[in-house]
Amino acid sequence: EVQLVQSGAEVKKPGESLKISCKGSGYSFTSYWIGWVRQMPGKGLEWMGIIYPGDSDTRYSPSFQGQVTISADKSISTAYLQWSSLKASDTAMYYCARKVHGLEPRDAFDIWGQGTMVTVSS
Amino acid sequence: EIVLTQSPGTLSLSPGERATLSCRASQSVSSSYLAWYQQKPGQAPRLLIYGASSRATGIPDRFSGSGSGTDFTLTISRLEPEDFAVYYCQQYGSSPQTFGGGTKVEIK
Repeated sequence: EVQLVQSGAEVKKPGESLKISCKGSGYSFTSYWIGWVRQMPGKGLEWMGIIYPGDSDTRYSPSFQGQVTISADKSISTAYLQWSSLKASDTAMYYCARKVHGLEPRDAFDIWGQGTMVTVSS
Repeated sequence: EIVLTQSPGTLSLSPGERATLSCRASQSVSSSYLAWYQQKPGQAPRLLIYGASSRATGIPDRFSGSGSGTDFTLTISRLEPEDFAVYYCQQYGSSPQTFGGGTKVEIK
C-alpha cells in the first residue's frame, strides 16, 4: 500500500526550532515529488513547496521562502519540514502529499499524509 | 501568482440534488493543470479530479470536472450523504501552485 506517515503532534514555544517528518512507503520514494501544505485552524489549504527526493530539487512558495526549510533523506524515505524560530502564527495542521506522477512537478497530489498539528504558544 | 476564487462559499443542498461548484482563476491555467479535492472534518484532503476533467483512482462517476482557461467547474450529479464536505480547487501549472479558498457543501 502506498502511504505517507507523518510524525506526531507538537507543542512548542515561540522562538523554538522544530522539524517534522513524512515517511513514504509502498513506492519508489526517490521518483515522486512530495509537497507540504499548511492549513491554519478553520482555514483553507496553502501550498508551501515541493521537493524531489531523487536529487533534492526544491521549490518554495514566495510566501514561505525563508520561513521554512524543506528537505529529504532518501536513505530512509523521509521528507522534512523545519523551522528555525517558530512564531504563534505557525500554529496549523501541516500535510505532506505526493504528486500523482513521477518526474513532473506540475501535478496534483494524490497521496496525503494524515497531517501533523503544530501548536506554538507561550 | 495565480489567485483562485471559488464560489459559492457555501452551497446548501439536499441528498439527491445536483451540485455545481465554480473555480475562477486570475490568469489562464496552463494546459488545464487544475485539480479538485474533497476534505471532510478531521481528515486530509482527497484528490477527486486532475487535469481539469480526469477522475482520480476510485472516485465515483457522479463527480465530474470541466472547464479550461480561467473558468472551471466541479459537478456532483446526485449528492450522496458522504459528499457533504469542503471542496478545494488547485492550479499546478504555475509556481506557486495555489489553492482556492474552498466551497462548503452542506445539508439543507
